[in-house]
Amino acid sequence: GAGVSQSPSNKVTEKGKDVELRCDPISGHTALYWYRQSLGQGLEFLIYFQGNSAPDKSGLPSDRFSAERTGGSVSTLTIQRTQQEDSAVYLCASSRGHTGEKLFFGSGTQLSVL
Amino acid sequence: DQQVKQNSPSLSVQEGRISILNCDYTNSMFDYFLWYKKYPAEGPTFLISISSIKDKNEDGRFTVFLNKSAKHLSLHIVPSQPGDSAVYFCAASWFNNNDMRFGAGTRLTVKP
Repeated sequence: GAGVSQSPSNKVTEKGKDVELRCDPISGHTALYWYRQSLGQGLEFLIYFQGNSAPDKSGLPSDRFSAERTGGSVSTLTIQRTQQEDSAVYLCASSRGHTGEKLFFGSGTQLSVL
Repeated sequence: DQQVKQNSPSLSVQEGRISILNCDYTNSMFDYFLWYKKYPAEGPTFLISISSIKDKNEDGRFTVFLNKSAKHLSLHIVPSQPGDSAVYFCAASWFNNNDMRFGAGTRLTVKP
């Protein structure tokens, strides 16, 4: 596609449920990032995939969070047993993977945990 | 561990005046710095970048200055326009590690 696509755009779930957020990066981009932005906060790094290398998971806030990237393209961020503090906008970005390369962001998924 | 810091959550300027947004970083390994602009309900979009081998990069109304010794960079917008009203994020990455870190953002409001 022309840009980074994220789905769903909005997700409302109940506390304790699992959710999956999807990201389709720009075709050919080898690097993929997940960030989240809580209300009134900045962009918090979650996880970074680069090609076939092991992902950098250092930003995942707890073991309830996990992410996969299948076939070097589509990525899924999974949050298990959601908590109210997980409510945020989850942003995905991709790039060509070169040092200092600018990121292209999707519009995000607004997650609301009731 | 906030390696990139934007200490001003908001800034308001008059149309036509200069906007100066500041960013500080702690990791001396950073060697690429980028500014992104974000409108509500949209993802951030790239604005301008600078490599650590430079101290200034200019693109139209936007100029980024880098002071490596102070671990400080700033974005200047001249002249400011109402359409520049958005949240501006500073970001940094380092060689052989494209793991990009962002500041908390500064909300710029340009008043007509």
